Amino acid sequence: DSGVTQTPKHLITATGQRVTLRCSPRSGDLSVYWYQQSLDQGLQFLIQYYNGEERAKGNILERFSAQQFPDLHSELNLSSLELGDSALYFCASGGGASSYNEQFFGPGTRLTVL
Amino acid sequence: GNSVTQMEGPVTLSEEAFLTINCTYTATGYPSLFWYVQYPGEGLQLLLKATKADDKGSNKGFEATYRKETTSFHLEKGSVQVSDSAVYFCALSNPLSGSARQLTFGSGTQLTVLP
Repeated sequence: DSGVTQTPKHLITATGQRVTLRCSPRSGDLSVYWYQQSLDQGLQFLIQYYNGEERAKGNILERFSAQQFPDLHSELNLSSLELGDSALYFCASGGGASSYNEQFFGPGTRLTVL
Repeated sequence: GNSVTQMEGPVTLSEEAFLTINCTYTATGYPSLFWYVQYPGEGLQLLLKATKADDKGSNKGFEATYRKETTSFHLEKGSVQVSDSAVYFCALSNPLSGSARQLTFGSGTQLTVLP
């Protein structure tokens, strides 16, 4: 168990809809990273938050957004969903005193867009 | 930019065979290098890491050495077990990114070990 929790585990929705994925980092970690894993794109970095502030952006679509709350949990919002957004979305945490430049991954949320 | 090139899979081995999964990288400066493993239906787990040239990371019988001269970080294990069947990802993070230490991943290598 990495100590990173993600909810929900599975999400099935229709095109055009909006969903929210939630992540709680390990105790003591200040950074949250979001990654997307799909068959055609592999594992891609989407966005990072550090202590409530956006720190880095990767290949994140404009239809996607994220935020990190004062209690350090994070939410990834996906809107106007398309079939191609079906993927596994991972959250990872790090940046704490015990992280040693490592990232700890949650179990992922599997999103299926029908 | 940063990139990781990983040996294409799938790889199928018999139990107790020797494993090598090749990984090479492109990055400016001195990145940290990682191997992650993903078991079926699970998230990624850090297998081992190395943060500077000539460092050897090791864990659970797996090893990888950070070779700056060849920009490589090949994963090896002397005797694989059925329980090693998983997808293995090579990754890097670049300290030149400052505190934004996002990981850049290779494409992953599916390993199947047969009894």
